[in-house]
Amino acid sequence: QKEVEQNSGPLSVPEGAIASLNCTYSDRGSQSFFWYRQYSGKSPELIMSIYSNGDKEDGRFTAQLNKASQYVSLLIRDSQPSDSATYLCAVTVYGNKLVFGAGTILRVKS
Amino acid sequence: GAVVSQHPSRVICKSGTSVKIECRSLDFQATTMFWYRQFPKKSLMLMATSNEGSKATYEQGVEKDKFLINHASLTLSTLTVTSAHPEDSSFYICSATIRGDGFEELFFGSGTQLSVL
Repeated sequence: QKEVEQNSGPLSVPEGAIASLNCTYSDRGSQSFFWYRQYSGKSPELIMSIYSNGDKEDGRFTAQLNKASQYVSLLIRDSQPSDSATYLCAVTVYGNKLVFGAGTILRVKS
Repeated sequence: GAVVSQHPSRVICKSGTSVKIECRSLDFQATTMFWYRQFPKKSLMLMATSNEGSKATYEQGVEKDKFLINHASLTLSTLTVTSAHPEDSSFYICSATIRGDGFEELFFGSGTQLSVL
């Protein structure tokens, strides 16, 4: 079982819609969870971090964490074409090491 | 602004040469930096953890003699790809963690695209 799993997509949504990205992880001891956005040929950039169960909102982005289900998601409201990118879920495992999922490709169609 | 600076951004070299990539933390001291490799359309794979003043910790399957890591100061880590071959062509990214009360964030350098001919 992979440590961090994501659907590779592509996930296609129309402009203005809500994009929902999902991630599951295997290490029950994980404490820190991150969503990164990566454009082609560029380094990842941090979108959201979340450390406790529940929702965390920042502008158009909402991260949701459910440690019991070992599940973390990212919602993007009012999706824009500029949101089209690969979204990487990352989870700290074994206390310190950060492991990335394979990423979900998001395409926002105008 | 960027908190982690990585240089060079792109390298094209002949097979058999060595390539050095620098990673600097700006405005903060990083006792630990991380080196990742990313192949096209794949996720980031942690290669090694660079520890200031001590030997790097390599992930399973990463050749320590091929990927030399030096963390000589609190703001600089270097990765040297020795005797590079075409299969080493990849996107190499460094990162450093800033930790505070109840939070931690991993900041990435801009990455280095290595192409070995």
